[in-house]
Amino acid sequence: AQTVTQSQPEMSVQEAETVTLSCTYDTSESDYYLFWYKQPPSRQMILVIRQEAYKQQNATENRFSVNFQKAAKSFSLKISDSQLGDAAMYFCAYRTQGGSEKLVFGKGTKLTVNP
Amino acid sequence: DVKVTQSSRYLVKRTGEKVFLECVQDMDHENMFWYRQDPGLGLRLIYFSYDVKMKEKGDIPEGYSVSREKKERFSLILESASTNQTSMYLCASSFGQSYNEQFFGPGTRLTVL
Repeated sequence: AQTVTQSQPEMSVQEAETVTLSCTYDTSESDYYLFWYKQPPSRQMILVIRQEAYKQQNATENRFSVNFQKAAKSFSLKISDSQLGDAAMYFCAYRTQGGSEKLVFGKGTKLTVNP
Repeated sequence: DVKVTQSSRYLVKRTGEKVFLECVQDMDHENMFWYRQDPGLGLRLIYFSYDVKMKEKGDIPEGYSVSREKKERFSLILESASTNQTSMYLCASSFGQSYNEQFFGPGTRLTVL
């Protein structure tokens, strides 16, 4: 069974600085999808960024980018120019390609942004 | 915009009560999911459904059942609520392709006394 590990329960960053959240996963599959979700306090979870495993190029979405290292099974999220609104729980998630549509989530990293 | 709604934001029930949590999505998604979120444990999948009247067990189905009679609605049922089912419950939906994101509802915080 696939597992997702987020080794940093909590992180903090100064406003306008850059922070990297770590995620590693364990799988025997070669094709899969990886996601980062954001859950702001008392608000709905939303997708931040996704990566298809067959793509070598790292995904980017404005200030958010990933460092996808397939051989190392690592999928870190970099947030540049951090803003107060980035404060949230961040969850890394894995989904197999085809078959079950279910996501396997990590335990989350709580990000605090200091003014 | 995709909208996933849940019937209650907060719910307080007594041990042994039958509890219904309702989830509705308005985007004609094939897949619907129920998760439980607990501090330090992340999100754990209880059940999911990929079509009307179809369901599959997730990682922690014990003590729960589900119903999907219509495509837009997915219900989570606690047959006899227990205190260890006090938690945040999140519903999500998605189209049927693996690369598609799941859209989440606002969550229901259930307290069982």
